[in-house]
Amino acid sequence: EPEVTQTPSHQVTQMGQEVILRCVPISNHLYFYWYRQILGQKVEFLVSFYNNEISEKSEIFDDQFSVERPDGSNFTLKIRSTKLEDSAMYFCASRVSNQPQHFGDGTRLSIL
Amino acid sequence: RKEVEQDPGPFNVPEGATVAFNCTYSNSASQSFFWYRQDCRKEPKLLMSVYSSGNEDGRFTAQLNRASQYISLLIRDSKLSDSATYLCVVETGRRALTFGSGTRLQVQP
Repeated sequence: EPEVTQTPSHQVTQMGQEVILRCVPISNHLYFYWYRQILGQKVEFLVSFYNNEISEKSEIFDDQFSVERPDGSNFTLKIRSTKLEDSAMYFCASRVSNQPQHFGDGTRLSIL
Repeated sequence: RKEVEQDPGPFNVPEGATVAFNCTYSNSASQSFFWYRQDCRKEPKLLMSVYSSGNEDGRFTAQLNRASQYISLLIRDSKLSDSATYLCVVETGRRALTFGSGTRLQVQP
């Protein structure tokens, strides 16, 4: 069964540094998402992306965050200047139209 | 009021038991409903979509009551492998998913 893949599985970064999280969505999927889950808390929506542009973003997704689909297969989330509170699991998801979202196995981001 | 509200549990049940989870949502414009399961420190995995007519997948039965904004999940004949956190998930017209905090199930031998 096709999968959403994410790299790296664990990223450790110093506070203030930039970090890029990578995702390869399922190949025929058209809608892409990023979610995060702080340890012990619920999964929270960050941003959705369709047709090469952001279609929706949450209050969490401020100017420090950006997304890109640079080459037609990868979908990236960049955090420009990381803060301690950015430490979380980050999940990428993708879907075809009107079908449920499928999640990657996540990147654990640890900010020191 | 929380957008999606679930009893956090934990529910501790013996193997073979029947267990029911409930969920309420606040946005009456919500259009799609799902149950996902999440194992510790893993990604959410789709368990089943939930339809107004109710739907069943093996030992799992999901119900939706739009008038009450209420969703349920029934697990029959619980297995050890059912131990996980069950996430009630709602999709609004914007297509982003809103997650509940999850209900933890522990099935004991």
